Amino acid sequence: DARVTQTPRHKVTEMGQEVTMRCQPILGHNTVFWYRQTMMQGLELLAYFRNRAPLDDSGMPKDRFSAEMPDATLATLKIQPSEPRDSAVYFCASGLVLSREGNEQFFGPGTRLTVL
Amino acid sequence: AQRVTQPEKLLSVFKGAPVELKCNYSYSGSPELFWYVQYSRQRLQLLLRHISRESIKGFTADLNKGETSFHLKKPFAQEEDSAMYYCALSGRETSGSRLTFGEGTQLTVNP
Repeated sequence: DARVTQTPRHKVTEMGQEVTMRCQPILGHNTVFWYRQTMMQGLELLAYFRNRAPLDDSGMPKDRFSAEMPDATLATLKIQPSEPRDSAVYFCASGLVLSREGNEQFFGPGTRLTVL
Repeated sequence: AQRVTQPEKLLSVFKGAPVELKCNYSYSGSPELFWYVQYSRQRLQLLLRHISRESIKGFTADLNKGETSFHLKKPFAQEEDSAMYYCALSGRETSGSRLTFGEGTQLTVNP
């Protein structure tokens, strides 16, 4: 049963520290998404990649957030420097997107980030 | 532009009662609509999508293009249905486009 995995599951850090979150998409999926979930805003799309190329990162604060896919099996989301308002659950999702096919996304378990 | 609206942040019903979670969308093209569910502290998972016309866990949703709605319904709610429900939209014209999620509705089914 293939699943999206994310590490770490929980992260507590102090303001100003760098945070790196990792995601392993389902093998064979060509699209990877990063979302942030908070009580106030719900689910927000931060960025997404197709075939490892960034397609849209308009949802990300550019000055402190960066997202990359060094290879097809790894996606990273970095925050530097982190701030208390970044506290949230960060979800990665992957999908196999084909023309005119369903756009189902498969979600990872999330990384719960707390910035003190 | 794509937009999804779930007017109720919180919905509470009693076990055995019917439940309807509302979802309205805005999209100029041909939409593909989904419902995702997130049980307490778990990952989001797909509940159903309109193109498959399935009934999952007793839930159904019909796409009403005239009213631009995709409400989720279940005739008899169960306690295990308590969860956060997200309606989502994807535009079919663009291959593999992003999903736009609604704000979510927290459903609580009371015993």
